This record gives sequence, structure tokens and C-alpha cells, in this order.
Amino acid sequence: DAGITQSPRHKVTETGTPVTLRCHQTENHRYMYWYRQDPGHGLRLIHYSYGVKDTDKGEVSDGYSVSRSKTEDFLLTLESATSSQTSVYFCAISEEGGPLDTQYFGPGTRLTVL
Amino acid sequence: AQKITQTQPGMFVQEKEAVTLDCTYDTSDPSYGLFWYKQPSSGEMIFLIYQGSYDQQNATEGRYSLNFQKARKSANLVISASQLGDSAMYFCAMREGPQWGQAGTALIFGKGTTLSVSS
Repeated sequence: DAGITQSPRHKVTETGTPVTLRCHQTENHRYMYWYRQDPGHGLRLIHYSYGVKDTDKGEVSDGYSVSRSKTEDFLLTLESATSSQTSVYFCAISEEGGPLDTQYFGPGTRLTVL
Repeated sequence: AQKITQTQPGMFVQEKEAVTLDCTYDTSDPSYGLFWYKQPSSGEMIFLIYQGSYDQQNATEGRYSLNFQKARKSANLVISASQLGDSAMYFCAMREGPQWGQAGTALIFGKGTTLSVSS
């Protein structure tokens, strides 16, 4: 158990509304990531963070923003949700950022945008 | 070109049999890591096993082993003595890039293989 929680676990919202997903970790890992999982695409990186207030974009960052004001929390915001953002969102953590370090995932948030 | 290719959309095996799930990868970085994750129907992503590009021996974790053939760029997952609880989607993934430094590296996932274990 990597001590990662995500909230909410399920959310249904309407097009055009803002949505914030929260990832919380208890083990002070430096790196945190947000992925989305869609059928036929596997998981794809949205944004990641390498420290408090240090973030960078991933492969599919358009329409998303992130913030990390505390080590333990990494927030993903959809400023104006669209139906194409219906997906399962996973948070992940790792101790190091390099390729030889394992990422551990939270339980996921299922988001439906109507 | 795809970085991670899993060519088997679905695999079927009987309990107690061994099964190999295929994964090929594409990278020009000397430092990379290869990972397998299991996703049961409940949806969570469970880390199974890891192989580093510099590792000389194949990784093993209990009933899981990773058949790493660097020259062929393959990283197949072998599950020995399958159990009903092994029924799930299995993802191969890779991280590549500089080993040190501030920037993080994403996991690049394949599209997954669904494993069904029957009694």
C-alpha cells in the first residue's frame, strides 16, 4: 500500500462546469503524476509534479491544470469540463523521477461529463 | 511508432498452467525501466514487476517473472501456475530518459492484454 487516496472516487458533472480532483499521499514522495485511462489508449500522462509548486505538462495536458501547494496533495482541475474528458483518472507517486524508479497508483476517479 | 506494443488483446489459460504475455518496446535511451501492472475488474492499477535496462538477470517476484531480451527489445511477463485471481488486464509500461535530474519521466503504456483464467 503506497498510501495514496483520491477524491472523489466517482463524479458526474455537466459540460462547462469546473471540476477538481484531489490526490493525497502520506509518505512524502517527491514526484506525483496524473494520468487518464481511456479504452484503446492505455494510460496517458496529463501533468506531473516534482516538488511543491513545481509542475510540468505531459502528453495530454490541454484543458487541464494542476497545483501542488503541499507535498502531500496534488490537485487536477478541469476548468470547463467537456465530454471528451470523461475518463478514469489515476494519480501516481514515485520517490525518484528517473526511468528506473517505480510508480505506484492510487485507486482512480471515474469522471463522467454529460 | 508505438513505444510499447502488446499484440495479444486476450489470452485464455487454465488454472495451474503457465502463461506468457508479450511486450515489445522501442527506445534509443540507454537508461529505461520496464514495468508490468495488473488491473483487475475492480479498476485499481497494481504494480507487479520491474526490470531495469542495466539489469543482467531477469526479474522475478513470486509467481511473476520478466523474460527480458534486450537485443530483441522484448519484456514478456511469465505467470507460473495461474490462479483464478489472475484474471485481469495486464499492462506493460516503460520509462525512459535521463537517470538523474529534476524532470520526471512518464510511464508509457501499452494497450493491455486481458487474461482469463478458467478452472
